[in-house]
Amino acid sequence: DQQVKQNSPSLSVQEGRISILNCDYTNSMFDYFLWYKKYPAEGPTFLISISSIKDKNEDGRFTVFLNKSAKHLSLHIVPSQPGDSAVYFCAAYSGYALNFGKGTSLLVTP
Amino acid sequence: EAQVTQNPRYLITVTGKKLTVTCSQNMNHEYMSWYRQDPGLGLRQIYYSMNVEVTDKGDVPEGYKVSRKEKRNFPLILESPSPNQTSLYFCASKLAGGGETQYFGPGTRLLVL
Repeated sequence: DQQVKQNSPSLSVQEGRISILNCDYTNSMFDYFLWYKKYPAEGPTFLISISSIKDKNEDGRFTVFLNKSAKHLSLHIVPSQPGDSAVYFCAAYSGYALNFGKGTSLLVTP
Repeated sequence: EAQVTQNPRYLITVTGKKLTVTCSQNMNHEYMSWYRQDPGLGLRQIYYSMNVEVTDKGDVPEGYKVSRKEKRNFPLILESPSPNQTSLYFCASKLAGGGETQYFGPGTRLLVL
């Protein structure tokens, strides 16, 4: 059963605007969350992470928000750029096992 | 350059013919892992290893074997491949301890006929 859920398979945003990618999880034992970005024909690359003891982490244009009570996290990209077009995976650690969502394909249009 | 390498990158084989996909990292990472990516299913963990001679099952270990005899290498073995193992496979590594980001290899695309 999928413990990390990304319910939007795709998202289209105009360049310069905010992209918001959402992720829900079911396992309250998850203690660390990550976002990965993946281009076609490449392996996933790490984008940003957040510990379960925090509710926000920011790195340049990327911010991840964690709402533990709702078991929800989101990735904000501001401003969005065409080079951000990729598949974004939400992932969560339970011990040493990393659980991934199915991914959201982001398209940033000029 | 710090990296995770996988070989081969592409492989076509037939049902039942044993194969091995190699994975090597040069970052002295303790933890290594294998994933498969399938359409509509995202990335699913097959096996992981926390150090030499220490391996554990992930979410989808059936039909796969692994070994960790050296710190830098973590081969994935398909003893008797079947068509449902046709997939895109990724190897990853990270430092020990919780929460460290994993570094992924470029992927191996496998087709089992």
